[in-house]
Amino acid sequence: ETGVTQTPRHLVMGMTNKKSLKCEQHLGHNAMYWYKQSAKKPLELMFVYNFKEQTENNSVPSRFSPECPNSSHLFLHLHTLQPEDSALYLCASSQAGGAASDTQYFGPGTRLTVL
Amino acid sequence: QKEVEQNSGPLSVPEGAIASLNCTYSDRGSQSFFWYRQYSGKSPELIMFIYSNGDKEDGRFTAQLNKASQYVSLLIRDSQPSDSATYLCAVTTSGTYKYIFGTGTRLKVLA
Repeated sequence: ETGVTQTPRHLVMGMTNKKSLKCEQHLGHNAMYWYKQSAKKPLELMFVYNFKEQTENNSVPSRFSPECPNSSHLFLHLHTLQPEDSALYLCASSQAGGAASDTQYFGPGTRLTVL
Repeated sequence: QKEVEQNSGPLSVPEGAIASLNCTYSDRGSQSFFWYRQYSGKSPELIMFIYSNGDKEDGRFTAQLNKASQYVSLLIRDSQPSDSATYLCAVTTSGTYKYIFGTGTRLKVLA
């Protein structure tokens, strides 16, 4: 596997379910990101991890819980979601945040539908 | 005021023409500027980035940055139908991990 992978690619869940999204990067990067992409809205940054430490939580509701066990893996744990949480969830990674040339590379995304 | 603004389009150009995509930003401390292409149902893929004033060319793509006027543009020469996609502009500020994205411009290249 190369680049950034995400599983599952599609997920349908009820409002009372608990599920997790997984992201893995094979690029040797140190920073990983979760984004939410809804129709007709800009990509919204949710969380940033740099060297496994969370450095950004962009006022995300507590029903989204990130976990970063190492620099290669990132999870997003979901529980008691709302229908408005239905969106494309994108994971990205970069070498290290803050450098002028630091470039984020995206995974294929998980299309989440909350019923 | 939105932090990063793009015209949502669609911008329609004939095959072989130059497509010009524009992006303005509000933070004068912005450091780096990225252009991503996103096909429908797919994730964004990097086209190029720029952080110095002026032009930067990569194949058929040229990014132009004017920090005084706070805009960055992407020119696509010899546009092809396969270039039809949404083009996202992203901006970062020095020392942060935070990309601020625009809503994207939808480009349609007509065969």
